[in-house]
Amino acid sequence: AQRVTQPEKLLSVFKGAPVELKCNYSYSGSPELFWYVQYSRQRLQLLLRHISRESIKGFTADLNKGETSFHLKKPFAQEEDSAMYYCALSGVSSGTYKYIFGTGTRLKVLA
Amino acid sequence: GAVVSQHPSWVICKSGTSVKIECRSLDFQATTMFWYRQFPKQSLMLMATSNEGSKATYEQGVEKDKFLINHASLTLSTLTVTSAHPEDSSFYICSAKKPQGSPPYSGNTIYFGEGSWLTVV
Repeated sequence: AQRVTQPEKLLSVFKGAPVELKCNYSYSGSPELFWYVQYSRQRLQLLLRHISRESIKGFTADLNKGETSFHLKKPFAQEEDSAMYYCALSGVSSGTYKYIFGTGTRLKVLA
Repeated sequence: GAVVSQHPSWVICKSGTSVKIECRSLDFQATTMFWYRQFPKQSLMLMATSNEGSKATYEQGVEKDKFLINHASLTLSTLTVTSAHPEDSSFYICSAKKPQGSPPYSGNTIYFGEGSWLTVV
């Protein structure tokens, strides 16, 4: 079954410290992995996709198929990074295309 | 960019009545739309996947007779909460899938509506 696991509900770091938000997944095929961010009182928005291999707002994420992980990293956290972060997986399950989210991690960057 | 609009943003209805929430993709055609439910400080729970011109696929535990989903066009999907009860009060979010790129690998991205707060009194 498709599943996305984000083990940390809350992650607090100081400004300038490195950040890593963990995401593990289970999927029988080749999934697409995404990170979404939700700032306070705003809608969910795409942060990055694994296929793009891009860096957005200083964040990167590498898909590790061996460890079935897609951790989100940033070397130096900023206060404006404080938000909810959701890892998501898309793929076909039982003939239906699905988009599944993890439970989310709230990142708090402290001054 | 791709824009998805939900309406209404918030609605209050009486217990036992029905309420409809609309989800529109404003600048792209969405063959697939998703409906989620989000409780306070919790993650998004996928309720159903809506494909244009066909019946929605509901997740386990979601009552299809209570949460009616219609995807009549490539830009509009609706969620109707029938015979609403206070426990149906929640934040409902839709998203639309916008295919990007070209084969052999398209890389799909979804875009979210702003969400709809439903309060059943």
